[in-house]
Amino acid sequence: QKEVEQNSGPLSVPEGAIASLNCTYSDRGSQSFFWYRQYSGKSPELIMFIYSNGDKEDGRFTAQLNKASQYVSLLIRDSQPSDSATYLCAVTHGSSNTGKLIFGQGTTLQVKP
Amino acid sequence: NAGVMQNPRHLVRRRGQEARLRCSPMKGHSHVYWYRQLPEEGLKFMVYLQKENIIDESGMPKERFSAEFPKEGPSILRIQQVVRGDSAAYFCASSPEGPEGQPQHFGDGTRLSIL
Repeated sequence: QKEVEQNSGPLSVPEGAIASLNCTYSDRGSQSFFWYRQYSGKSPELIMFIYSNGDKEDGRFTAQLNKASQYVSLLIRDSQPSDSATYLCAVTHGSSNTGKLIFGQGTTLQVKP
Repeated sequence: NAGVMQNPRHLVRRRGQEARLRCSPMKGHSHVYWYRQLPEEGLKFMVYLQKENIIDESGMPKERFSAEFPKEGPSILRIQQVVRGDSAAYFCASSPEGPEGQPQHFGDGTRLSIL
């Protein structure tokens, strides 16, 4: 079992729709959860981070965390073509407690005009 | 520019040469992380450093790779006797002091190509 799992996609949504990206993780000790966006050939860009169970909203983005289910998700409302990218889920390695991030393989999102 | 600075952006080396990748963290950040992204693969943690200390090198290959973050100057990731399999994008990230798990911000990366 991979430590952090994401559906590779591509996830295709029409412009204006809600895109829902999901991630599961195996280490129950993980404390911090991050979503990064990566355009092709570019570096990861931090989109959201969440530490506590529940929802956290920032503009069009909402991160959701459920530690009991070891599940974290990212919702993008009013999706735009410029949101088309690979979205990386990352979690801290629980037992090491060094801030080391474990990344999923990423989900490719395509927003069609 | 207050972001994470990496140089060079692109580096070409022949097999057997040495590669040195540099990273200056964001202003006010004292924690530096190196990650590698192989073609068509995910980001993999390599090493975590604070000034003059290697905190976690659990992701570093056992041979040929080393990292440092001196008291003065940038963090350096050094790869000796490079091989074709070292071709990848190497990203540096930094985070501020404080509890572990603070958000990490990435530099633009160094694309290493081995001929």
